[in-house]
Order: sequence, then structure tokens, then C-alpha cells
Amino acid sequence: AQTVTQSQPEMSVQEAETVTLSCTYDTSESNYYLFWYKQPPSRQMILVIRQEAYKQQNATENRFSVNFQKAAKSFSLKISDSQLGDTAMYFCAFMLTSGTYKYIFGTGTRLKVLA
Amino acid sequence: EADIYQTPRYLVIGTGKKITLECSQTMGHDKMYWYQQDPGMELHLIHYSYGVNSTEKGDLSSESTVSRIRTEHFPLTLESARPSHTSQYLCASSELGRGADTQYFGPGTRLTVL
Repeated sequence: AQTVTQSQPEMSVQEAETVTLSCTYDTSESNYYLFWYKQPPSRQMILVIRQEAYKQQNATENRFSVNFQKAAKSFSLKISDSQLGDTAMYFCAFMLTSGTYKYIFGTGTRLKVLA
Repeated sequence: EADIYQTPRYLVIGTGKKITLECSQTMGHDKMYWYQQDPGMELHLIHYSYGVNSTEKGDLSSESTVSRIRTEHFPLTLESARPSHTSQYLCASSELGRGADTQYFGPGTRLTVL
């Protein structure tokens, strides 16, 4: 069975600083996707960034980038130049590329950006 | 934001009532999902569907039922609400095939059963 672990329940960062959220996962499969989703307070969950496991290059989306270490089963999210609007719950998720298309979510990290 | 809608957004109801939470998407996605999420906690999959007339139970045991008569509509029903059903319910959808990996979420229904 696949598992996803987010070991940081809460984090805070000063505006304009950089923060890294950690995520580890466990699977015996080799083909999968990894995701970071953001859930702002009282707003919809949206995709931040995704990574295909077969790609060695780390995904980036503007101020968001990942450090994907397949051998270590680690998938951390780096947020550069943090903004107040980045305050949210961040969920790491895993999905096999075959089968049921079900996500396995981590427990989330609550990030607060301080002015 | 994605074109996926949930109604009602908030619902307070008494024990024993039957309720239906609505979810609709206009993206033509085949896959749809229902998650249960307690405040500030992880998401638990309770139901999913591959397409019309297809429904499957998720990883978290739930007393709710779902139906998928139309591609765009995936309602969730609780026949007899109990306080233990108090939670937030999130609906999501994704394409089947190319792009199936990305799920799009609705705004959620926050249910309180008294």
C-alpha cells in the first residue's frame, strides 16, 4: 500500500522569504505522479505543481518548485518570495499511473506567511 | 478556478434527516470523487466514479451512497444523518486518460448534524 507523510503540521515564514515543505512517500511501484495542492482558508483546493516520476527534472511553476528525490522517496515543495496569499494548507498527494486513479493524500502542512 | 460546483455550501440539519449533497462539473470529466475532510485534516476518499453508471466505494467506510446518471452530476446522499457525519465534503473531478492525474476540486459542503 502507498503512504504519504508530511512531518510538518505547521510552518510560518516571513513575507518575501523562502520556505520548504517536506513530503515523503512509500511505494513499491515505479510509475506514479506526485502533486502539491493548496487549500486557502475557506477557498477551493487548487493544484500548485505536479511531477511525473519518470521525469528526472524537477518541476517548477513560477515561485513554486519541487525537489524530487526518487530513490529517497522525497518530494519537497519550495516557495520562493513568499506572499501573504500563500497562506494555506498544503497537501502532498500521490497517484499511481495505472489502476484506479485514486489519490493518497498526506495530512497537510498549515503554512502562515507573516507580514 | 475550475468549473466544479457544490451545493449547499453550508448545511445544518437534525439527526435522522435524509440529505443530498450536490456536485456538478461542466468540464466533461469522466472521473468524479467524493472526499470527507475534517477541519485542517487530511482528505479521505469515500466514493468515486469512472463514468456514467459507475460507482465505487473509497478507502474510508461511509454510510453515504452516490449515483452517476449523468456525466456532469455526482450527488451524495445520506439516508439518515448522524452527528458523526459532521464534516466537510469535497467533490472533485478529473479526465479519464490524458490528464487524468490532475483533480479539480469544488468549494466543499460543510455539514453539521445536530
